[in-house]
Amino acid sequence: AQSVTQLGSHVSVSEGALVLLRCNYSSSVPPYLFWYVQYPNQGLQLLLKYTSAATLVKGINGFEAEFKKSETSFHLTKPSAHMSDAAEYFCAVSAPVGGSYIPTFGRGTSLIVHP
Amino acid sequence: GAGVSQSPSNKVTEKGKDVELRCDPISGHTALYWYRQRLGQGLEFLIYFQGNSAPDKSGLPSDRFSAERTGESVSTLTIQRTQQEDSAVYLCASSSRFLLQGRGWAGANVLTFGAGSRLTVL
Repeated sequence: AQSVTQLGSHVSVSEGALVLLRCNYSSSVPPYLFWYVQYPNQGLQLLLKYTSAATLVKGINGFEAEFKKSETSFHLTKPSAHMSDAAEYFCAVSAPVGGSYIPTFGRGTSLIVHP
Repeated sequence: GAGVSQSPSNKVTEKGKDVELRCDPISGHTALYWYRQRLGQGLEFLIYFQGNSAPDKSGLPSDRFSAERTGESVSTLTIQRTQQEDSAVYLCASSSRFLLQGRGWAGANVLTFGAGSRLTVL
């Protein structure tokens, strides 16, 4: 079984401040991990993914995430928030269940950026 | 096509009516997923198609929900006798399979999502 927990349904930061969105996962086998972003009135798009190569993964728009096996975490960070980063962010885990890789998504974290 | 296309983008229906939602995946993508996103909640898995294999229907919430896919093309999600709790955005996604060294096929499939079909049941 696999699951994802995103701590905080809303995160509010000032423009230029550090962004930290938390994600913890549970998986009985080594998982693949993803962050997707959903901008207002748009579909979800991939931000970055972890596939057992480097534990620090860099994505689009300056975001990065670090896989920490000991903490079962995959937190998303960005050094300096922009107004355009305001969106819903979803963490997802994908591990083989019955031979299929069906991603399980977290509940999402809404990032609010203040000027 | 260039992306995943879903129709209708918006559907308002009366309780008890049947609805059909359509998904046109990216050409060549063998895997197709349906998820449901209720207001303020995360994505809830509904059903998964992979090529010509039997679909994984483990996420369908009741027998009022069904889905079909012809080969590796269009999929239709049907909700019969709609209820108000069916109101949600229904998301379709597709992905391709690729080989990862030591991990086999379809290990880290990245999903490409459509814009969704917003269903409102009055």
